[in-house]
Amino acid sequence: ETGVTQTPRHLVMGMTNKKSLKCEQHLGHNAMYWYKQSAKKPLELMFVYNFKEQTENNSVPSRFSPECPNSSHLFLHLHTLQPEDSALYLCASSSFGNSYNSPLHFGNGTRLTVT
Amino acid sequence: AQSVTQPDIHITVSEGASLELRCNYSYGATPYLFWYVQSPGQGLQLLLKYFSGDTLVQGIKGFEAEFKRSQSSFNLRKPSVHWSDAAEYFCAVGPGDMRFGAGTRLTVKP
Repeated sequence: ETGVTQTPRHLVMGMTNKKSLKCEQHLGHNAMYWYKQSAKKPLELMFVYNFKEQTENNSVPSRFSPECPNSSHLFLHLHTLQPEDSALYLCASSSFGNSYNSPLHFGNGTRLTVT
Repeated sequence: AQSVTQPDIHITVSEGASLELRCNYSYGATPYLFWYVQSPGQGLQLLLKYFSGDTLVQGIKGFEAEFKRSQSSFNLRKPSVHWSDAAEYFCAVGPGDMRFGAGTRLTVKP
């Protein structure tokens, strides 16, 4: 039980599909994050939400659309993806936002393959 | 902006041998430093963290790390490696947008 649950674990989608990734945290945290993990590259921070408000968007293409309806849930909506978007997408949460020293708690990720 | 370098992409050690994984950071002020471990098919798990105070920090699973400001380093160590330690290890620096290194893959030989 990691405290951060991601679904689905695996997703294969065509470039014209629309799908969503879901993340739920049971830790009472106030900040949630989406990271992209590609082989041989450092983790890339995509989006940050503090108290449901988006505070960071690190130049992520508009084909990725986040949604944070409350402090416990985070979604990543996907549409018209490219093959280079294939990666492991990790959700994380922390007690406070990324200006503080609270460590990140990660989910097990969604392995996305774009065909 | 802060950054992290993990010079070793892949390290192989024998079970029972000692381990040191290197991490160098770049940060303009006092950094917050973290080590995470990722097993196959899993997310990242926090091993230990340094915020201030004693420069030698203890973590879970018998790991420790030493902060050396003069060398901008935060190397991870373990005196005796177990086969279950085989995984990928990530160093990270904050606060602000936490920056991760590219990771070091650890293989443990029987």
